[in-house]
Amino acid sequence: GAGVSQSPRYKVAKRGQDVALRCDPISGHVSLFWYQQALGQGPEFLTYFQNEAQLDKSGLPSDRFFAERPEGSVSTLKIQRTQQEDSAVYLCASSSPGGQPQYFGPGTRLTVT
Amino acid sequence: DQQVKQNSPSLSVQEGRISILNCDYTNSMFDYFLWYKKYPAEGPTFLISISSIKDKNEDGRFTVFLNKSAKHLSLHIVPSQPGDSAVYFCAASRIGQGGSEKLVFGKGTKLTVNP
Repeated sequence: GAGVSQSPRYKVAKRGQDVALRCDPISGHVSLFWYQQALGQGPEFLTYFQNEAQLDKSGLPSDRFFAERPEGSVSTLKIQRTQQEDSAVYLCASSSPGGQPQYFGPGTRLTVT
Repeated sequence: DQQVKQNSPSLSVQEGRISILNCDYTNSMFDYFLWYKKYPAEGPTFLISISSIKDKNEDGRFTVFLNKSAKHLSLHIVPSQPGDSAVYFCAASRIGQGGSEKLVFGKGTKLTVNP
């Protein structure tokens, strides 16, 4: 079946611009996670949804980061007023009830210039 | 403070030999561990996992060993193949938190299998 998809795959933004990154999870997966991966590092947790409820946003680095999943399927991660330190790969993962394992999408590489 | 550590940034082995990738963790509340493989420009791909109630899990060429007292796990790949060349991430989680079962990752080990 289809895996997790993300779009766009690459995004270049000027500092100060807003960006929106999309994630389509595996059909039927109620759990959805966002991670940020800086160069040379492992992915770091940003936020977690169970269906449409955002149950954990403890990893969001600032109030410029906002995520939503209004209908419990597709999710959008929005970054307002992007800064250079936001440059990273943003990974989305989904899992079935029970939580593990998580299946990852290909990621969106964000470059802020 | 890093809760999951992969102290070897890279590892090189000959095709057909065993690859052993190591991972240490500090948080004793972790009770589920996973290994992911990552190729460039792709997302991490799930390989194998182990629950803290076990000390070994095997899937084909891949075996994960867990030593809870030492807070150490390892991934064995036998025999290693050139297609195994990738970055391997160790990840840990707490099952049944009643909420987020977020993964905590190490920094990864780049495995190169030479023909």
